[in-house]
Amino acid sequence: AQRVTQPEKLLSVFKGAPVELKCNYSYSGSPELFWYVQYSRQRLQLLLRHISRESIKGFTADLNKGETSFHLKKPFAQEEDSAMYYCALLSGGYQKVTFGTGTKLQVIP
Amino acid sequence: EAQVTQNPRYLITVTGKKLTVTCSQNMNHEYMSWYRQDPGLGLRQIYYSMNVEVTDKGDVPEGYKVSRKEKRNFPLILESPSPNQTSLYFCASRRTGGGKLFFGSGTQLSVL
Repeated sequence: AQRVTQPEKLLSVFKGAPVELKCNYSYSGSPELFWYVQYSRQRLQLLLRHISRESIKGFTADLNKGETSFHLKKPFAQEEDSAMYYCALLSGGYQKVTFGTGTKLQVIP
Repeated sequence: EAQVTQNPRYLITVTGKKLTVTCSQNMNHEYMSWYRQDPGLGLRQIYYSMNVEVTDKGDVPEGYKVSRKEKRNFPLILESPSPNQTSLYFCASRRTGGGKLFFGSGTQLSVL
């Protein structure tokens, strides 16, 4: 069965410091991975999709199949980055989406 | 504007009183799904639908029903709500074949 693990419930960093939100997955097939962001209990929005390899709002994420990881990174945190971040795995013939438990990022001014 | 619309935004009810949360999308998406969000547990999938009249259970389907009679609508039905169904619910949709999910604004349900 597929599984997504986000080991940190809360990550606090100072403004301007680098950020790394960890995501590890377990899936026997070829994964499609996403990062979603949720500001203040609003609707979730797509931040990144590993296939597109885009950089959104300064965030990047690289799929490491050897380590089964998809960590989210940003070199310099901004206050507006404070939010809940969810890693998600699409599997099962594009039917099932499994979310991690989320990491709350708190950027301290 | 492309969007997923959920109603109501907030709902307080009592144990055992049937309720329906509506979800509608205007993007002609085949795939629709329901999630509940609970502190420390993240988002868990309740039900999903690959197309009209095609629905399947997610990870936590107990106590919920869904129907997909039209492509744009995917209501979530709680026949006999219980306090452990107090949660924040999100509906989402996407096109077939993967890609990003478009989420509704959520429904905060409290069952007393």
